[in-house]
Amino acid sequence: GAVVSQHPSRVICKSGTSVKIECRSLDFQATTMFWYRQFPKQSLMLMATSNEGSKATYEQGVEKDKFLINHASLTLSTLTVTSAHPEDSSFYICSARDTRGPQHFGDGTRLSIL
Amino acid sequence: QKEVEQDPGPLSVPEGAIVSLNCTYSNSAFQYFMWYRQYSRKGPELLMYTYSSGNKEDGRFTAQVDKSSKYISLFIRDSQPSDSATYLCAMTTPNTDKLIFGTGTRLQVFP
Repeated sequence: GAVVSQHPSRVICKSGTSVKIECRSLDFQATTMFWYRQFPKQSLMLMATSNEGSKATYEQGVEKDKFLINHASLTLSTLTVTSAHPEDSSFYICSARDTRGPQHFGDGTRLSIL
Repeated sequence: QKEVEQDPGPLSVPEGAIVSLNCTYSNSAFQYFMWYRQYSRKGPELLMYTYSSGNKEDGRFTAQVDKSSKYISLFIRDSQPSDSATYLCAMTTPNTDKLIFGTGTRLQVFP
């Protein structure tokens, strides 16, 4: 149980493009979803927390206009990287949890901006 | 001082060895403790979730929590090459969703 699906797993696109990443909880209702960024050989850095039907709460230093988060249902959250530039290239990972219990993670999206 | 300290390794052991991975923490408000395994280019996979002092066993894995010493451990018995990954400890308090991670320990199990 507790499966989180993230799509796509890999994106390569040109600078200036907007990229949307989907995160779905397949077998539980995710009241809260999280978006992380991970640089090589480093731990996960929380970008934002979203609750279903509410605006996301962004961590300090994360541009909310750059990283748009939508959590429209109890099983789906999306992260849109708007007008992506090479410095946005990274590994983005989502996680989800229900009202009790630990976070379960997706398999990540490797984003490369040329 | 970081809230959670974890030896980054790498830790290299032969197949069949018992592996001990450890984290220490400074915030006594942490009540929920997790161990995740992360393979290269994949998301973290939950291995163990505990919220009380003592031991919790699941197959070859045993999680140990000592709240008085602010110390948690993960033991892997009969380690396999497929256990080669980065192991992350994580913890949180009852009134927040935010996980505080250790830096991760890279483990290599060689045949």
